[in-house]
Amino acid sequence: GAGVSQTPSNKVTEKGKYVELRCDPISGHTALYWYRQSLGQGPEFLIYFQGTGAADDSGLPNDRFFAVRPEGSVSTLKIQRTERGDSAVYLCANFDPSYNEQFFGPGTRLTVL
Amino acid sequence: KNEVEQSPQNLTAQEGEFITINCSYSVGISALHWLQQHPGGGIVSLFMLSSGKKKHGRLIATINIQEKHSSLHITASHPRDSAVYICAAVQGGSEKLVFGKGTKLTVNP
Repeated sequence: GAGVSQTPSNKVTEKGKYVELRCDPISGHTALYWYRQSLGQGPEFLIYFQGTGAADDSGLPNDRFFAVRPEGSVSTLKIQRTERGDSAVYLCANFDPSYNEQFFGPGTRLTVL
Repeated sequence: KNEVEQSPQNLTAQEGEFITINCSYSVGISALHWLQQHPGGGIVSLFMLSSGKKKHGRLIATINIQEKHSSLHITASHPRDSAVYICAAVQGGSEKLVFGKGTKLTVNP
């Protein structure tokens, strides 16, 4: 693909529900990051994958949050028992070592009612 | 205290003015990114710096590693430069980014 894509672009859910957010990275880029951006704030790191494994998940706020990347390509961020405070834009990014640059997806705007 | 601080938070300029946005960081870094975010959320990387200065068109970015400070300059600003500019420090090894809160720039015609 031409860039990092994320689906859905918008997700509205009710408190307590389960949601999955998907990231389709640039083909061949092994490093994948999830960030969360609350309104009026800069993004915050959630988790980083190198290949299939989570190399650093220190940014996940609690055990309701989980992310997988089973085949080293597509990644899914999973949020259980959503809370209103989870409302934010969830961003996925790939690092391209050829350009020494991070390429960001358009984000998924999650709204928990 | 945030590990990456930006100033100012908001900046309004007239078209043609020279713009400076500042970024200070307290973490050890391997490099620093300047990012641009337009309404709707899309983030684009403008520069990645580990030393010195880089220029791209009307944009110039500088970094002083000893002083832990970077600046983004926009010459001959234009209304289409209106966006949020975010400074992000790269924590070595993982390439994990630590972000500033962003500077909202509005350039009026």
